Amino acid sequence: EEQLVESGGGSVQPGGSLRLSCAASGFNFRSTWMNWVRQTPGSGLEWVALIEEGESRKYYVDSVKGRFTISRDNANNFLFLQMNNLRVDDTAIYYCTRGGGDLWGQGTLVTVSS
Amino acid sequence: DVVMTQSPLSLPVTLGQPASISCRSSASLSSDGNTYLNWFQQRPGQSPRRLIYKVSNRDSGVPDRFSGSGSGTDFTLKISRVEAEDVGVYYCMQGTHWPRTFGQGTKVEI
Repeated sequence: EEQLVESGGGSVQPGGSLRLSCAASGFNFRSTWMNWVRQTPGSGLEWVALIEEGESRKYYVDSVKGRFTISRDNANNFLFLQMNNLRVDDTAIYYCTRGGGDLWGQGTLVTVSS
Repeated sequence: DVVMTQSPLSLPVTLGQPASISCRSSASLSSDGNTYLNWFQQRPGQSPRRLIYKVSNRDSGVPDRFSGSGSGTDFTLKISRVEAEDVGVYYCMQGTHWPRTFGQGTKVEI
């Protein structure tokens, strides 16, 4: 079964850091680009970052550039999102998604609050 | 950024009747011979699920009562006969320009 399972969410104070992980299984992870997408409580969806198969190119939404870093471990089928200097408006459920969005994880909640 | 505008934002529906959601982009989504416009469904308490990719292609397992159409900047998702399990929020998303952007979502309720 194709599956994405996120972990690493939690509560953190403004200015803090978190590292999200996404474990992929059931498909050829190293051959597909991957994304992080977030959803704020009661609000819509926002694409955050994308990483190509070989990690050669990475793209970010402007609001996270310089603070978030997307990376991957193709040997062990993991996707990561390192989030630094977190802000209150980064509070959201973070989803790991495959390619054009044909597979989503269950999400992990990040809460940034003082 | 390309702005995706959905209408309506709330759509009361009747079981067995058709329903339609519009999505308009602030720039053309056509590129290299393709148009990267996707539709997602999010049922209450669940993660989003892709229904349609590249305007009109249904994902595996998606009922054929769902269909997508459009070109350039104007797109439509249609449900031919609404069923109870179709309740939820529907989002369009463009995958042509950076950053990728979603519409605000359309809440479909019986």
